[in-house]
Amino acid sequence: QQQVKQSPQSLIVQKGGISIINCAYENTAFDYFPWYQQFPGKGPALLIAIRPDVSEKKEGRFTISFNKSAKQFSLHIMDSQPGDSATYFCADGETSGSRLTFGEGTQLTVNP
Amino acid sequence: NAGVMQNPRHLVRRRGQEARLRCSPVKGHSHVYWYRQLPEEGLKFMVYLQKENIIDESGMPKERFSAEFPKEGPSILRIQQVVRGDSAAYFCASSPNRVHGYTFGSGTRLTVV
Repeated sequence: QQQVKQSPQSLIVQKGGISIINCAYENTAFDYFPWYQQFPGKGPALLIAIRPDVSEKKEGRFTISFNKSAKQFSLHIMDSQPGDSATYFCADGETSGSRLTFGEGTQLTVNP
Repeated sequence: NAGVMQNPRHLVRRRGQEARLRCSPVKGHSHVYWYRQLPEEGLKFMVYLQKENIIDESGMPKERFSAEFPKEGPSILRIQQVVRGDSAAYFCASSPNRVHGYTFGSGTRLTVV
């Protein structure tokens, strides 16, 4: 079964710093790459998503960078805040498909 | 506008009992998905349903697990004769159009004792 490999497993940054989480995918047929944010006791919430026809997408402090040739994409959180402390999941799938394949998650802690 | 509603939030079952998990999708969403999250792991796809139809159940164990999404009422994930390995968080998501725009519920945390 094709996977999405996510790293690091955990990440600690200082307030105001940049958080970077990386994912590597295998299935080149997939065309939808979202990032989800999950707080303890809650369900994942869609943060930002990208398609492979663009190399970067920015929404506020959150940016996805996409490298099609390397089959990698990453989430950058600028000016990280304690409220960003959560678990982040990358995923991939087909826009016309029925399922997402999730990475194992990155637990982000932003220290005040 | 309520999001995806899942109940119960927590469910404790003894080995061998049945667990029934309910999911009411966002109003107007006709696509429902169930995912399972084991401790310290990502979410794993189980099943995709539209009203009265199972579209893709390739992620669901062949035995003891079943799902339905009737014409009226919530989607139900049913686990018969639960075992300790079924202990996990079960998340339901709905969307208006396949994978695009998933909205997840807060999950049901099943503990089998």
